[in-house]
Amino acid sequence: SSELTQDPAVSVALGQRVRITCQGDSLRKYCASWYQQKPGQAPILVLYGENYRPSGIPDRFSGSTSGNTASLTITGAQAEDEADYYCQSRVNGRDPWVFGGGTKLTVL
Amino acid sequence: QVQLVQSGAEVKKPGASVRISCKTSGDSFTHWMHWVRQAPGEGLEWMGVINPSGDTTVYSQKFQGRVTMTRDTATDTVYMELSSLRSGDTAVYFCARDTSVADTCWWFDPWGQGTLVTVSS
Repeated sequence: SSELTQDPAVSVALGQRVRITCQGDSLRKYCASWYQQKPGQAPILVLYGENYRPSGIPDRFSGSTSGNTASLTITGAQAEDEADYYCQSRVNGRDPWVFGGGTKLTVL
Repeated sequence: QVQLVQSGAEVKKPGASVRISCKTSGDSFTHWMHWVRQAPGEGLEWMGVINPSGDTTVYSQKFQGRVTMTRDTATDTVYMELSSLRSGDTAVYFCARDTSVADTCWWFDPWGQGTLVTVSS
């Protein structure tokens, strides 16, 4: 089992806002980063340092952390945002880095 | 533009070993490099990391004793070898460059394109 917990699936209507969450005790100390993965492709970084976007990532993607929960929010979801999203963080556990189990986002 | 280019797909028999390469570019030689795998239909699984000089590795406890990560600084290439392969090791294996800030934030960017390893008798 992962030390970072994500909902397996989330859906959102086209153009609406959606929040994907990641829970874990390590998030009280360490930042979360977020990755988008589409079928058959390598993951790409969409958020790091909690709320920084790499070059090329649309500004509809934003991040935040409160307590032990990190969130990725998409404001105005587009069809191309349909993908799996993974959170990742450093942890003080069996392994130093872990990923959440992933959330499958469906854009309706 | 930093790129990580991995070696091609492999088919191995149970009990064999596989060695995957990841050629880095740009300033990646100054970064730690991670390996992550993804079994069919499953999530991402962290396997381990190697430092820039190649003399320090940290492995997931799950793979300890079966995985070896090395680095050729002359060619800016990192390698991951997994031994005693079994069917459960069938997966896509990714390399990814590490960046960290203030010992509190880490992220993996970019990623290699992935290498499919199929373990089958």
